[in-house]
Amino acid sequence: DVKVTQSSRYLVKRTGEKVFLECVQDMDHENMFWYRQDPGLGLRLIYFSYDVKMKEKGDIPEGYSVSREKKERFSLILESASTNQTSMYLCASSTSTGANQPQHFGDGTRLSIL
Amino acid sequence: AQSVTQLDSHVSVSEGTPVLLRCNYSSSYSPSLFWYVQHPNKGLQLLLKYTSAATLVKGINGFEAEFKKSETSFHLTKPSAHMSDAAEYFCVVTDVLNAGNNRKLIWGLGTSLAVNP
Repeated sequence: DVKVTQSSRYLVKRTGEKVFLECVQDMDHENMFWYRQDPGLGLRLIYFSYDVKMKEKGDIPEGYSVSREKKERFSLILESASTNQTSMYLCASSTSTGANQPQHFGDGTRLSIL
Repeated sequence: AQSVTQLDSHVSVSEGTPVLLRCNYSSSYSPSLFWYVQHPNKGLQLLLKYTSAATLVKGINGFEAEFKKSETSFHLTKPSAHMSDAAEYFCVVTDVLNAGNNRKLIWGLGTSLAVNP
């Protein structure tokens, strides 16, 4: 089975801090994704990556950046955390082989910005 | 542009009765469709997927969904609900993200399923 591991289940940070969320997948997937999930808004794509050192903006990239230095690891960075970034963050990965591959998700990181 | 609409934000059923979670989509070309489930404080798990093969798709935990192109629907069903089915369910359709096989997922807002004893 595909395993996507997010480094923290719960995280509390302060306004203005630089925050790193880490995600690792063990299936050699080319694609990796970061979403945030908020009540009533569903899942919104922040950034994705389809190869090492490659990244593309999703629907809501403002206030975030990403890093993909190794194929298995995709990091989400909050440059200067703000309270409106309090949310559940979900990482996913998928293979590029075949046109309709599903995404596999980690358990999520619930981030609170105080 | 593609979109997906989950017609019910909340569904409540009794244990042992059928489950129906409704999903309509719009697509300018042949879509791929997925249903995911999310249990409380957990990530999302793939239930089933439709990728232009058989229109009736069987998934895990006894769930299935039928792709109806004429109705642009992909409703999720289960003959008999179990208490462990209580969760949030998401209908998802693909969209072209960039060249090749990388496809953006368009997410519904979810349906919360409650199962009463």
